[in-house]
Amino acid sequence: EPEVTQTPSHQVTQMGQEVILRCVPISNHLYFYWYRQILGQKVEFLVSFYNNEISEKSEIFDDQFSVERPDGSNFTLKIRSTKLEDSAMYFCASGTAQWTQYFGPGTRLLVL
Amino acid sequence: GESVGLHLPTLSVQEGDNSIINCAYSNSASDYFIWYKQESGKGPQFIIDIRSNMDKRQGQRVTVLLNKTVKHLSLQIAATQPGDSAVYFCAENIGNQFYFGTGTSLTVIP
Repeated sequence: EPEVTQTPSHQVTQMGQEVILRCVPISNHLYFYWYRQILGQKVEFLVSFYNNEISEKSEIFDDQFSVERPDGSNFTLKIRSTKLEDSAMYFCASGTAQWTQYFGPGTRLLVL
Repeated sequence: GESVGLHLPTLSVQEGDNSIINCAYSNSASDYFIWYKQESGKGPQFIIDIRSNMDKRQGQRVTVLLNKTVKHLSLQIAATQPGDSAVYFCAENIGNQFYFGTGTSLTVIP
């Protein structure tokens, strides 16, 4: 059964550094999403992406964040200058229709 | 922000019993709801969804009930099994965003 994959599974970075979180969505999916989950808190929507552009973003998704689908198979989330409060589990999701979401296993980001 | 909350953070049930997990939401404009299951170390997994024009939807061993009058959503799991142990989230769609609850941790006692 096809599934969403994410790399790396864990990443540790220094505050102020740039990180790129990578996702490979399910191959025939057209909708892509990033969410984050701070430890012990709710899953929070970051951004949705469709037709090679952002279709919706939350207040969390500020200028420090960007997404890209560089090659038709990968979907990346970049955080330009990480802050301590960016430490969280980041989930990628993809779907064939809006809001039909299959989640990846997540990348745990720790900012020191 | 929007409020999607769960009444109980933890729930323990005996294997074979039915489980009921509750969720309250605050926005009457919510038009679509999803229940997710999240096992340790994994991403959320879709269980069942329901649109606001429905009050009940059934899947395999799961039923979602929607009471729009009191803004309440519940997930019923029949004949709960050890593999059902996980955290369960409800999520509501408002406009073009989904808002998740904090989750209820379900533990199935063999």
